[in-house]
Amino acid sequence: EAQVTQNPRYLITVTGKKLTVTCSQNMNHEYMSWYRQDPGLGLRQIYYSMNVEVTDKGDVPEGYKVSRKEKRNFPLILESPSPNQTSLYFCASSLSPFGNQPQHFGDGTRLSIL
Amino acid sequence: GESVGLHLPTLSVQEGDNSIINCAYSNSASDYFIWYKQESGKGPQFIIDIRSNMDKRQGQRVTVLLNKTVKHLSLQIAATQPGDSAVYFCAEKGGTYKYIFGTGTRLKVLA
Repeated sequence: EAQVTQNPRYLITVTGKKLTVTCSQNMNHEYMSWYRQDPGLGLRQIYYSMNVEVTDKGDVPEGYKVSRKEKRNFPLILESPSPNQTSLYFCASSLSPFGNQPQHFGDGTRLSIL
Repeated sequence: GESVGLHLPTLSVQEGDNSIINCAYSNSASDYFIWYKQESGKGPQFIIDIRSNMDKRQGQRVTVLLNKTVKHLSLQIAATQPGDSAVYFCAEKGGTYKYIFGTGTRLKVLA
């Protein structure tokens, strides 16, 4: 089944404790992206990747890092999480960054930073 | 999830009626538009898309209308069912690698 898989689905942690949210897609998609979703706001892009070893900042990259060493994986890293990073996070992928295709989303990761 | 929907406009429709959800998009240069459905506890799910060279596209029970003059997009759902209850939002893409997402509308289907 074609899917985007995120782990963990839920995490409660404390300020300053490094964490990684994994994202994996099995569709051989080139384009992958991370978003956060907060009440009253649309999905806001954190980082995106157009292919292996090609990443760039989205609208709200501060406090986050990403890597794209393999085509299927696009982990989101919070080196020193803070309470304002408490949010619902989504990973998404699409076939190509250049064409017009919809993005496929994972089921989300709810992070709570205390 | 539920917390995302706290500040959203809500459309309540009777089961079996047609629903129309509207979206104003921001960039007149956008040339691709998508509607997503988001159920509680799940990620956004693709419903239908449309390119800017079209003004209407139909799927199964859904129709998207695009009015580029006023930068307006609408999603029509025919014979709305309880399973259609969710948050719906539009997305636009134009000339870049970025998608811009709307904040969404909550659809409540009344039995």
